[in-house]
Amino acid sequence: ETGVTQSPTHLIKTRGQQVTLRCSSQSGHNTVSWYQQALGQGPQFIFQYYREEENGRGNFPPRFSGLQFPNYSSELNVNALELDDSALYLCASSGGTATEAFFGQGTRLTVV
Amino acid sequence: GDSVTQMEGPVTLSEEAFLTINCTYTATGYPSLFWYVQYPGEGLQLLLKATKADDKGSNKGFEATYRKETTSFHLEKGSVQVSDSAVYFCAPLGSARQLTFGSGTQLTVLP
Repeated sequence: ETGVTQSPTHLIKTRGQQVTLRCSSQSGHNTVSWYQQALGQGPQFIFQYYREEENGRGNFPPRFSGLQFPNYSSELNVNALELDDSALYLCASSGGTATEAFFGQGTRLTVV
Repeated sequence: GDSVTQMEGPVTLSEEAFLTINCTYTATGYPSLFWYVQYPGEGLQLLLKATKADDKGSNKGFEATYRKETTSFHLEKGSVQVSDSAVYFCAPLGSARQLTFGSGTQLTVLP
């Protein structure tokens, strides 16, 4: 059984650019959630996808968008990057009868 | 919306000391409750969970009991090790199926 994997692990972007982060969910899980964790803070919920549909969204602007694919992997897209978007982005997968979510190792995004 | 209040950190203990990290939450209904741990430079690892009142979650010597009356889920360990040094997060899973995290508690264990 494979765990949750995210790519890339690190990247640096310039303000105003666009970025795509990727997540492969754990085998058997049909739900993916994305979180943003600023330095020294707890993770903040961005949105969740269930069976390819957005299933809840936190307090993030529309320039944060996502996709979920038929194999339940997911992408997080951020347009018009701002310096405050610098953070660790975490993907979590869940599903089946389990209530718990399992996290990937995260993608560290730095916006300069 | 849901919210979490965790014990202020950082917490510094000597090896083999007793650990308590307090956590209280506000959520609609009776959420499942989780403790996650984050080691430096890594993602979150599930430490333990409880899904209903009076459930006790346990793992690797850590324990936490779901207290519905006090809406609390305090984390305890009888004897900490240097390898337990990390940031600990309490998180309820609310009716919206999203985890709500507090700011976390940084634990440092000295040899």
